Parts: sequence; structure tokens; C-alpha cells
Amino acid sequence: QVQLVQSGAEVTKPGASVRVSCRASGYAFTNYYLHWVRQAPGQGLEWMGWINPKSGNRNFGKKFQGRVIMTRDTSINTAYMELNTLRSDDTAVYYCARDLTDIMTTSAGAGYWGQGTLITVSS
Amino acid sequence: QSALTQPASVSGSPGQSITISCTGTSSDIGSYNLVSWYQHHPGKVPKLMIYEVSKRPSGVSNRFSGSKSGNTASLTISGLQAEDESDYYCCSYADGVTLIFGGGTKLTVL
Repeated sequence: QVQLVQSGAEVTKPGASVRVSCRASGYAFTNYYLHWVRQAPGQGLEWMGWINPKSGNRNFGKKFQGRVIMTRDTSINTAYMELNTLRSDDTAVYYCARDLTDIMTTSAGAGYWGQGTLITVSS
Repeated sequence: QSALTQPASVSGSPGQSITISCTGTSSDIGSYNLVSWYQHHPGKVPKLMIYEVSKRPSGVSNRFSGSKSGNTASLTISGLQAEDESDYYCCSYADGVTLIFGGGTKLTVL
């Protein structure tokens, strides 16, 4: 079965960087887009970006351009999201999520989700 | 790039039908049939309920349906049940390369 397992919660300081990992199993890692989505406390879902694990190409939401890095390691079926220059309002649960349909016919719908990673930014 | 517009809350009684609207622009909903809807119970992982405007993933009840007209997409839940009480988010492909979520709608089952 499809599984996405994320790294654990972290507490970090303003100005620092954080990297969240997302290890995939149960499917062909390079055949499906991976999204990154976050939810700050009391706020809604926010799309951060996605990566094509086959090519490495990625696109980001305008709010995150210049501050987020998305990479993947196909040898271990793992994707990474790094957010830099952290602020207190980056405190959120960060999710990776796999597209429902394959890269050739992307539905842009995230059908499988990781368990979420709480990132707390506090001085 | 502003979030898609959803009502903050909707409510209905068990057995009734409700519709949640999601309004975007000609750069997102109006240009692509790639609208999805998510159910998100607080503390849990979001669940995909509708994709590509009106398709249901395997396992999602047929009480959930989606549609689109112009720049507005809609999620309809028929035969409302207590377990449907949750937050619902729409999401659309936009600008040819990104996705954008709506602000979310809290559904209360009376």
C-alpha cells in the first residue's frame, strides 16, 4: 500500500532553516508528483509547491519562491522540503502528499498524505 | 495570487443536501478542469474527496459530488450525516504551474 512517512517534529529559531523528509513506499516513486502543503495553527491549508520525482523539476507557490527548496533522492525514494529564513508565522504542520494519478495524466489531486510534521519556530 | 474564495461556514440537518462554493478567476478554476476538494478533520490528515472537478477517488461515498461553472466550483453533499461535519477545502491548478487552495469552509451538521 502507498505510504508516506515524514520526519519528526522540530523546534527551531527565527532565521534558521528546517528540512522535512518524506519517505515513500508501496509505489513507483518517480511516477507521481509530490506536493508539499502546510497548515498553520488556526489557518487553512496552503500549497507550497510540488516536485516531479522523475525529472526533479519543481514549481512553488509565489509566497514561497526564493525561500523553499524541494529535492528528492530516487535511490531511497525520499523527497525533501527545506524552508529557509524561518519566521514565527512558519510554525505549522507540514505535509507531503502524492498525486492521485501518474505524472503523464496528473490530476493535481493529492490522494495520499504523509502523517504531517510539526515545525515550531520560536526564539 | 489570492486564495480561492469559500464561505467560512455552512450548515445543514441530517439527511439534507448542502453545497459549498469555491470562486476563483479565469487564471485558475476558469481555465482548468483540475479542481479538487478535501475533507479535513482537525488533528487528522486531509482526505481527497473530489478531483478533476467531479471525479471521486475509490472509497469516497457517492453522496459527494463536484461541479464547475465558469470561475466557480461547487461541492455538494447529499444525505448529510453527522460524520460529514468537518472542514472542506477546494484547490485548483493555476497559472499553468501551481496550485492554490481556498480558505476553507466549516461544515456543521445540526
